[in-house]
Order: sequence, then C-alpha cells, then structure tokens
Amino acid sequence: GENVEQHPSTLSVQEGDSAVIKCTYSDSASNYFPWYKQELGKRPQLIIDIRSNVGEKKDQRIAVTLNKTAKHFSLHITETQPEDSAVYFCAAIIIQGAQKLVFGQGTRLTINP
Amino acid sequence: KAGVTQTPRYLIKTRGQQVTLSCSPISGHRSVSWYQQTPGQGLQFLFEYFSETQRNKGNFPGRFSGRQFSNSRSEMNVSTLELGDSALYLCASSVGLVNEQFFGPGTRLTVL
Repeated sequence: GENVEQHPSTLSVQEGDSAVIKCTYSDSASNYFPWYKQELGKRPQLIIDIRSNVGEKKDQRIAVTLNKTAKHFSLHITETQPEDSAVYFCAAIIIQGAQKLVFGQGTRLTINP
Repeated sequence: KAGVTQTPRYLIKTRGQQVTLSCSPISGHRSVSWYQQTPGQGLQFLFEYFSETQRNKGNFPGRFSGRQFSNSRSEMNVSTLELGDSALYLCASSVGLVNEQFFGPGTRLTVL
C-alpha cells in the first residue's frame, strides 16, 4: 500500500497547551518521515524530520516519535503559541517500486488565545 | 541562495484546453517533484524528476505529464483540462527525496 493516514483532521487547543498529531503508514520499508507546516496562503515548510534509525527527535518545542513496529509516527508541539496555527502535513517515503514521498491529508491546528 | 520559483502564479483556463506550468529549482538541486493540492485531498504526488528522468509517477491520468531540462528546470503539462483539475500545483526541489523538500509558491489553476 501507499497510504499515509493522518489524524485528526482538525485540532483546536488553548495557548500554552500541547498538541499531538498522529500518522500511520503502510510500507514497512519506509525510512524517512518529515513533517511540514503550511501557514495560510504560504508554501509548506519542513519543521522536523526523523529517519528510521531513531525513535525520537526533538527541536525546541517540537518533537517527533516513531514506532516502526506499529508503523506510526507522531508530532508533538508543547507550549503552543498563536503562531503555531497552521496546517500540518506528515509524510513518508514509500519504497515500493520507485521511491515517492506520500503526504497525509493534513491537520488544521488552531491555537486559541 | 534563491528559492524555488514557479510561473505563472495564476492561470484561468477553460475545459478542453491545455496548460504548461514551469518550476525553477534551487541551484544544485537535481530532484524536482510536483504535487496537486486541493482542500479535500491534501498534497497529492504527481511525479518526480531527477537528472532529466522521471523516477516515479503518482496515480494521475496520462493527461498529466512533465519533463525536466538539463538545467534541472521542470515543466508540467495538463492536456484536455477538466473542472476537477482546478487546484494549487506545487513543485518542490531537493537534493533527493529523502531530504528536505523546498516548495515553490505554487501555481493556482482555475478551470472554467
């Protein structure tokens, strides 16, 4: 399969709280999992990525965890701020056949002041 | 270093017409990928080119085609446009698929 499922599709949290977005993938050979943030009217930008040889990666308030056995990975944002409001996309490299980067459906995150 | 550029930024076409979109990658990047973005479908992979060769293609009809030139610039063509082709078309360049993708601003295509 070539699916990347992302949940939830919308998420609303209070400023200062944490937000978690989860993705599952189908290709057990996938080895690269980036997360992109797309602000309204702007292009997607990479915020963090993880490769299959590690289980967790952190960059300030953002962290990603990977469970290869269960084939899922998650984005964690702590101490959320209004500027975190955006659409977040997870993605996974699909190895079957030639490689391609498959994106999840996106999560619209709203931070309420 | 200049970013990824796409031209034109906006296009309005009618059903049955064809359209060509252009993408200029970051200097030194040999991989260019194309994506269709719609509100309900997220980012759908169209195809990826590396050193003038199409390495992979997504699940789109043959009306969608592309090419890459020796300077890594890429074009995407859609023939016999349908209403459902209305979308934001994004290209992204990178040194390879398992590296950061740098997206262009997109071309907003409207099919009437």
